[in-house]
Amino acid sequence: KAGVTQTPRYLIKTRGQQVTLSCSPISGHRSVSWYQQTPGQGLQFLFEYFSETQRNKGNFPGRFSGRQFSNSRSEMNVSTLELGDSALYLCASSARLAGLLQETQYFGPGTRLLVL
Amino acid sequence: AQKVTQAQTEISVVEKEDVTLDCVYETRDTTYYLFWYKQPPSGELVFLIRRNSFDEQNEISGRYSWNFQKSTSSFNFTITASQVVDSAVYFCALSAFRDDKIIFGKGTRLHILP
Repeated sequence: KAGVTQTPRYLIKTRGQQVTLSCSPISGHRSVSWYQQTPGQGLQFLFEYFSETQRNKGNFPGRFSGRQFSNSRSEMNVSTLELGDSALYLCASSARLAGLLQETQYFGPGTRLLVL
Repeated sequence: AQKVTQAQTEISVVEKEDVTLDCVYETRDTTYYLFWYKQPPSGELVFLIRRNSFDEQNEISGRYSWNFQKSTSSFNFTITASQVVDSAVYFCALSAFRDDKIIFGKGTRLHILP
């Protein structure tokens, strides 16, 4: 079974631009979560999607948004980029279904974003 | 509030030594999961183990073992006979039973010296 894939793997943007990152979950997984990893703040939860609905959201400004498609693929978007948005963005998928107990999350290789 | 503390930011040991990575957590939930993930230089988080709060039994998987003690809110990870390939950042993490949001510790960077 293929793992979680993320594209692109590396990205360089300038302040004020916007960026879209993509995540394809493990086949059969319908839950997708996004995390931001920075040296200062560590790994922080951004949001989680299930069946095209945002189910949970972390403490990030509205510039960070996401969506999920009917095939469970997910995208996250960051608008008006700031220098502090430079980070490794990790996507994780799990087999968790609505209302049921948590299942193990499996992570992709991440997208490394550099904002200049 | 939920919190995970990994007090050891960086550890170096010589190959074949045993090493224990400490993890202390805080949560008001009575039911929760604890995790360990490994992050090699490539950046991908590799799942190692998940334990639920009802199961305090220690677990061993090859050279890896985990000690879960609810009384001290700790979930420590021991690598026996360490190898250079074990060099990575290791994260301890916590989540509620019905929540996919994982709270991570800051990680412990482990160097295994040949």
